[in-house]
Amino acid sequence: DTGVSQDPRHKITKRGQNVTFRCDPISEHNRLYWYRQTLGQGPEFLTYFQNEAQLEKSRLLSDRFSAERPKGSFSTLEIQRTEQGDSAMYLCASSLDGLGRSYGYTFGSGTRLTVV
Amino acid sequence: DQQVKQNSPSLSVQEGRISILNCDYTNSMFDYFLWYKKYPAEGPTFLISISSIKDKNEDGRFTVFLNKSAKHLSLHIVPSQPGDSAVYFCAALERSLGSSNTGKLIFGQGTTLQVKP
Repeated sequence: DTGVSQDPRHKITKRGQNVTFRCDPISEHNRLYWYRQTLGQGPEFLTYFQNEAQLEKSRLLSDRFSAERPKGSFSTLEIQRTEQGDSAMYLCASSLDGLGRSYGYTFGSGTRLTVV
Repeated sequence: DQQVKQNSPSLSVQEGRISILNCDYTNSMFDYFLWYKKYPAEGPTFLISISSIKDKNEDGRFTVFLNKSAKHLSLHIVPSQPGDSAVYFCAALERSLGSSNTGKLIFGQGTTLQVKP
């Protein structure tokens, strides 16, 4: 297992276009998280899944954002009608249950989105 | 409302000396605190954590201290090495109400550490 994989690494899109990112977590991890990081800030929680169930969504996740984890394995994050304010690094992380507290989750390298 | 704050955006130390990174928080419901390290073009990597019932946790060159009354924690790196140069994030986990928690972390803004040879 090579850790958490995110694809693509970089995405440049025109304002108004839709984009989709993919995350492949560590295979035995049942929890998957999406965070967003902008310049000079720490990662901000967007949403998380336990298996295929999306259990919490941040108010940062407007109705233009949707996330899925259809079979409890990989996850996708889609942004519709992108805006320049969506430009950020989108980070995915996975963990086994609540072990994020003691051991920390494993983050992927992120997808950097630039909206022009 | 920033619940976890790292007030120093950057820190520069000489190789071999101690690096001290600070973090303040406002929410007394935080249960665990974690430190992450981030290199450019990579995701954050877990470094060390501390439970709110402890005041110190040590792992090799890294020690985290927690002062609950002051709502303050710090990460000490001794001795500092050039490879420690990175962005360090403090993060907090809110106490769960049930048997398991969400695992949702609240991060500070980060401190960029530069260790000079």
